[in-house]
Amino acid sequence: KQEVTQIPAALSVPEGENLVLNCSFTDSAIYNLQWFRQDPGKGLTSLLLIQSSQREQTSGRLNASLDKSSGRSTLYIAASQPGDSATYLCAVRPRTDSWGKFQFGAGTQVVVTP
Amino acid sequence: NAGVTQTPKFQVLKTGQSMTLQCAQDMNHNSMYWYRQDPGMGLRLIYYSASEGTTDKGEVPNGYNVSRLNKREFSLRLESAAPSQTSVYFCASSGYPDQPQHFGDGTRLSIL
Repeated sequence: KQEVTQIPAALSVPEGENLVLNCSFTDSAIYNLQWFRQDPGKGLTSLLLIQSSQREQTSGRLNASLDKSSGRSTLYIAASQPGDSATYLCAVRPRTDSWGKFQFGAGTQVVVTP
Repeated sequence: NAGVTQTPKFQVLKTGQSMTLQCAQDMNHNSMYWYRQDPGMGLRLIYYSASEGTTDKGEVPNGYNVSRLNKREFSLRLESAAPSQTSVYFCASSGYPDQPQHFGDGTRLSIL
C-alpha cells in the first residue's frame, strides 16, 4: 500500500526566508503528484501538478521537484510572505489505478512570521 | 467559475438521523471523490466514482453510501449518523489522469 509522509508536521520561518517542504512516498509507480494549499476552515487549492515523466514544475515563487526513484518531492517557496501561512499537502496518484484513488500526506503547517 | 460546489456548508445532526451531502462539478470531469478530514488523520477517501455509472469504496466506506447521479453530481449519504462521523467532508473531481484534482469548500458536519 502506498504511504505518503510529510515531514516536518509544522514549520515556522521569518518572512523573506525560503520555504522547503518535503513529501515522501513508498511506491515509485505513480502517475503524478499534486501539491495543495489549505487555509484554516477552507478547502484545498491546487498549487502544482507534476507528471511522473517530469522532474519539476514552476509557478511564480513556487517550484516543485520530483525524484521518483527515491520517492521524494520537494516544494520550494521563494522569499516567503505572511500570506504563505497555511497547511501544504501533497497527494500521489498511483499508476495502477490512475482513474481512481489518490493518497494524501498529512500535511505541513507553515507559519511565516513578519 | 463555480468549479466544485458542495451543499450544505454546515450541518448539525442528532445521532441516528440521516442526511445527504450534495456535490456538483461543472468542469465535465469524469472522476469524483468524497473525502473526510479529521485532525491528526489527514484526508481519507470514503468513496469514489472513476466515471459515470461506477462507484468504488475507498479507505473508510463504512456507514456511508454514494450515488453518481449523472456526470456532474455525486452525493454522499449517511443513513444513520453516528458521533464518529463528525468531520469535515470534501468533494473533489478530476478529468483525465494527467489533470489535477479540484476540491469543493467542504461541509462541516457535527453529530451530537
